[in-house]
Amino acid sequence: GNSVTQMEGPVTLSEEAFLTINCTYTATGYPSLFWYVQYPGEGLQLLLKATKADDKGSNKGFEATYRKETTSFHLEKGSVQVSDSAVYFCALKTGTASKLTFGTGTRLQVTL
Amino acid sequence: SQTIHQWPATLVQPVGSPLSLECTVEGTSNPNLYWYRQAAGRGLQLLFYSVGIGQISSEVPQNLSASRPQDRQFILSSKKLLLSDSGFYLCACFRQGAGGYTFGSGTRLTVV
Repeated sequence: GNSVTQMEGPVTLSEEAFLTINCTYTATGYPSLFWYVQYPGEGLQLLLKATKADDKGSNKGFEATYRKETTSFHLEKGSVQVSDSAVYFCALKTGTASKLTFGTGTRLQVTL
Repeated sequence: SQTIHQWPATLVQPVGSPLSLECTVEGTSNPNLYWYRQAAGRGLQLLFYSVGIGQISSEVPQNLSASRPQDRQFILSSKKLLLSDSGFYLCACFRQGAGGYTFGSGTRLTVV
C-alpha cells in the first residue's frame, strides 16, 4: 500500500536559519506529491505540489523536488521566519478515488 | 473555487453520547468528499470517503459512520462516543480541475 514517512519533530530553528524537512514515500503507480501546512488553530492549506518526477514545487520561499529515484520530496526553505511556525505534512495522491495519504506531520518552531 | 463549511469548531462530549459532524461544500458539484482524523501526536488518517451520493467507503474499522445524503453534504456520526474518538476531524473535498483538494477548518472533539 501507499505510505509517507516524515522526519520526526519538533524542529526548532532560529529565524533566518535553513530548513529541511525530509519526506520519503512508497506508492504504486505515479503519485502526485504535496506539502500541506497547518498553522495554529487552523485547517490544512496547500503549500506546494509536484505531479511528476523532477518537478519542483515552490511557494512562499519553500521548495520541494519530486525525486523518483530516491522516492523523496524533501521540503526546504533558505531562511525561515517566526511566521513559518506550523505543522507541515507531506502527502501523496494516487488515482484511486484521489485519496491523500499523509505523513505524521512535522512541527516547526521558529524563534527570534 | 471550492469552499468547505465545517462545524462546530470545538466540541466536548461525554463518553457514550452521540455525535454528528456536518460538512457542506460550495462552489463545485459532484466532488469526492473525505473525513480525516488527526489524533494527538499522530498524523492525519483517512476515515471515510465518498465519490457520490449514498456512496461511502470506510478506510479503517471504528466506532464512527459517515453518510452523504446530498451531493455537497457529508456527515460523520457515532451512536456512542468512546474516549479514543477524541481528535481533530477534517472534512475535505476533491474535484479534478476545480482547484484540487480543499480542507475545512476542522472540528476539535474532546470526549470526556
